[in-house]
Amino acid sequence: SQQGEEDPQALSIQEGENATMNCSYKTSINNLQWYRQNSGRGLVHLILIRSNEREKHSGRLRVTLDTSKKSSSLLITASRAADTASYFCATPRTGANNLFFGTGTRLTVIP
Amino acid sequence: EPEVTQTPSHQVTQMGQEVILRCVPISNHLYFYWYRQILGQKVEFLVSFYNNEISEKSEIFDDQFSVERPDGSNFTLKIRSTKLEDSAMYFCASSFGQSNSGNTIYFGEGSWLTVV
Repeated sequence: SQQGEEDPQALSIQEGENATMNCSYKTSINNLQWYRQNSGRGLVHLILIRSNEREKHSGRLRVTLDTSKKSSSLLITASRAADTASYFCATPRTGANNLFFGTGTRLTVIP
Repeated sequence: EPEVTQTPSHQVTQMGQEVILRCVPISNHLYFYWYRQILGQKVEFLVSFYNNEISEKSEIFDDQFSVERPDGSNFTLKIRSTKLEDSAMYFCASSFGQSNSGNTIYFGEGSWLTVV
């Protein structure tokens, strides 16, 4: 299976703290994408990191990619209650044009 | 910011009925997709569509499913005879280029399908 798996499955933090979510995958990839999903809502694209990039920032988000370990992390700094959502990593399927999604990390930020 | 729009947001249907879910992808995008998410489970790929034909499909996308781009703007998913296990959130998505070439796939808000 090529699917990404996020860790932890659930994370609960206080507002203002940082949240780190990890994703592992099994095959070689040329990019990895992170998405957010509020409960019962659509998937919002957060960031795409390419295999030749080690780190990427977007606002309060920082994504790292370690292709040797086949893992990625998403760090949300100074979390807010509005960051409460599920976060998924997604990797392109080898030789195909679709994404495999992981199981997601459910983040709860307590005000 | 351009977005993928889906209708209806929620549909309840009797088992065995046909359902059509509609989507308007982002206007300059060339690749179109349907994914689904059964409640509490992973997001799963169903089908991708390019140049007016299906380019890839998963094992979930059996003969009960079909897709169409009837008029150059809408992209539809039809389920011919719904089953209880078709109950899920269905996401339409689009991208300018292929995801394995580093293109972002943008998703709509989803259509909740409940089969009773």
